[in-house]
Amino acid sequence: EAQVTQNPRYLITVTGKKLTVTCSQNMNHEYMSWYRQDPGLGLRQIYYSMNVEVTDKGDVPEGYKVSRKEKRNFPLILESPSPNQTSLYFCASKTGTGAWTQYFGPGTRLLVL
Amino acid sequence: SQQGEEDPQALSIQEGENATMNCSYKTSINNLQWYRQNSGRGLVHLILIRSNEREKHSGRLRVTLDTSKKSSSLLITASRAADTASYFCARPTGNQFYFGTGTSLTVIP
Repeated sequence: EAQVTQNPRYLITVTGKKLTVTCSQNMNHEYMSWYRQDPGLGLRQIYYSMNVEVTDKGDVPEGYKVSRKEKRNFPLILESPSPNQTSLYFCASKTGTGAWTQYFGPGTRLLVL
Repeated sequence: SQQGEEDPQALSIQEGENATMNCSYKTSINNLQWYRQNSGRGLVHLILIRSNEREKHSGRLRVTLDTSKKSSSLLITASRAADTASYFCARPTGNQFYFGTGTSLTVIP
């Protein structure tokens, strides 16, 4: 089944404790992206990647890192999480330039205490 | 901000009625997408309307685009309880996507 998977689905952590949220897609998509969703603000793009070893900042990249060492994986790293990073996070992927439909993962709900 | 504004924020209707939600941006729109999100789950793409299209239909969905007003609307006709969800517009710009703030639709059986 074609899908985007994220792990973990739920995470409670404390301020300053590094964490990684994994994202994997099995559709051979070039483009992958991370979003955060907050009430009343919709989805905001954190980082995106056009292909392996190519990453770019989205609208709200502060406090996050990403890497794209393999085509299928695009982990989101929070080096020193803070309470304002408590949010619902989504990974998405799509084929390359010219295609617009993104396929979303199920989401990761993060609480930073 | 390049994010879109959607209204209404929340909409509650009876099954069988039509639901209309609107999306507007402060910057120009070339292509515009609509996505549906069921209760905190991942978004699902519904429809894309291109800048050279004024109106597009897909099943019970009708989308309009007014590039001069930088706005779009989504109409769901003959709504069903299963249409209960949040709906988001999204504006692709280059390699980035700017989503709207969302409309929460409740369809009462």
